[in-house]
Amino acid sequence: GAVVSQHPSRVICKSGTSVKIECRSLDFQATTMFWYRQFPKQSLMLMATSNEGSKATYEQGVEKDKFLINHASLTLSTLTVTSAHPEDSSFYICSAGSNQPQHFGDGTRLSIL
Amino acid sequence: GDSVTQMEGPVTLSEEAFLTINCTYTATGYPSLFWYVQYPGEGLQLLLKATKADDKGSNKGFEATYRKETTSFHLEKGSVQVSDSAVYFCALSPLDAGSRLTFGEGTQLTVNP
Repeated sequence: GAVVSQHPSRVICKSGTSVKIECRSLDFQATTMFWYRQFPKQSLMLMATSNEGSKATYEQGVEKDKFLINHASLTLSTLTVTSAHPEDSSFYICSAGSNQPQHFGDGTRLSIL
Repeated sequence: GDSVTQMEGPVTLSEEAFLTINCTYTATGYPSLFWYVQYPGEGLQLLLKATKADDKGSNKGFEATYRKETTSFHLEKGSVQVSDSAVYFCALSPLDAGSRLTFGEGTQLTVNP
């Protein structure tokens, strides 16, 4: 069964709305989780590394104020897309695991109208 | 920085055909190499991996050999099935960068009956 649960699987909302995506490790503790973004027919690009109990590490070009990450417990990281706009529409995927291989969530399809 | 290059897709094959998807990488040191598969609307699943030179990863009839001399990790399967239709991603993880992954562009495979 799934070892990483991501919720919701799909979100459709109006421009200007903030959207929260959850990533949970189900049967292990994850001090580090990773958030990726995937545009249609493109590869996954790492957005940020979520660290339990400390600030997330963002990749170059990713706006930290736009994509808020909270990793408040050893089993939960959340990604909040603040004031979302149509250009934020994408497929967001999280992963977790102390070593390789990483376990991936099923992803969240975000559509901003 | 690290990078992964995959052969361009899409790839369309008939059932029972031989499959090769090329993957080459650029990295310092000795990264771990992976192939992930993504079925429509789903997250990523690890297909196989290799952690050192000359290692061969295999799973579900798929194989890939870690070739340091050619910096390659080509994916092969002797006889594809319709159920193998998916997007395949080659990825690497540097030893000194935790578990973050750098992905190739992905290759869409369609197998026709």
